[in-house]
Amino acid sequence: AQKVTQAQTEISVVEKEDVTLDCVYETRDTTYYLFWYKQPPSGELVFLIRRNSFDEQNEISGRYSWNFQKSTSSFNFTITASQVVDSAVYFCALSPLQGAQKLVFGQGTRLTINP
Amino acid sequence: DAGVIQSPRHEVTEMGQEVTLRCKPISGHDYLFWYRQTMMRGLELLIYFNNNVPIDDSGMPEDRFSAKMPNASFSTLKIQPSEPRDSAVYFCASSRSTGTGEQYFGPGTRLTVL
Repeated sequence: AQKVTQAQTEISVVEKEDVTLDCVYETRDTTYYLFWYKQPPSGELVFLIRRNSFDEQNEISGRYSWNFQKSTSSFNFTITASQVVDSAVYFCALSPLQGAQKLVFGQGTRLTINP
Repeated sequence: DAGVIQSPRHEVTEMGQEVTLRCKPISGHDYLFWYRQTMMRGLELLIYFNNNVPIDDSGMPEDRFSAKMPNASFSTLKIQPSEPRDSAVYFCASSRSTGTGEQYFGPGTRLTVL
């Protein structure tokens, strides 16, 4: 069975602080994809990033960075110099690499950036 | 390119009424997914289609829910009869089998059953 755990239900920080959102996953598959999605107050889910299980290289995109560690089954997301516009619910998700494209989502972390 | 289109954006209905939610996937995408989001249960996959064929409907709550995909550009999710516990945001998403698995979501339909 596949499972994604986002232990942080809510995080609140002051603007310009760095913040890390944790994601821990469980799967019996040897190959898989990991995703992060953002759900701003407007409600739509926005795709942020996909990593495959055989590529543990960390990725940086502007103020966003992702740390994938297979040894600890974690795929953490860091926002550097947070901004009010980063306020949203962030979801981590997992899917098999092959075959069915079912996404298993974590419960989400509500991030609030205060001015 | 247009994203996933859902209609209506908001639906308020009374218990016992039939509700039909509609979705137009991104052109060229051959997977279509229906999700339900509630505070209690988070994001749940209800059903998904590949090339218009339902592949897995194990997430459909009960027989009151049904989904169809008559062609590559249209899908419906129907609830008949609706109940207050069906109140949720329903998302449609699509993806390409030749892609790398990321799904693109529509804006959602907020359903309220009174």
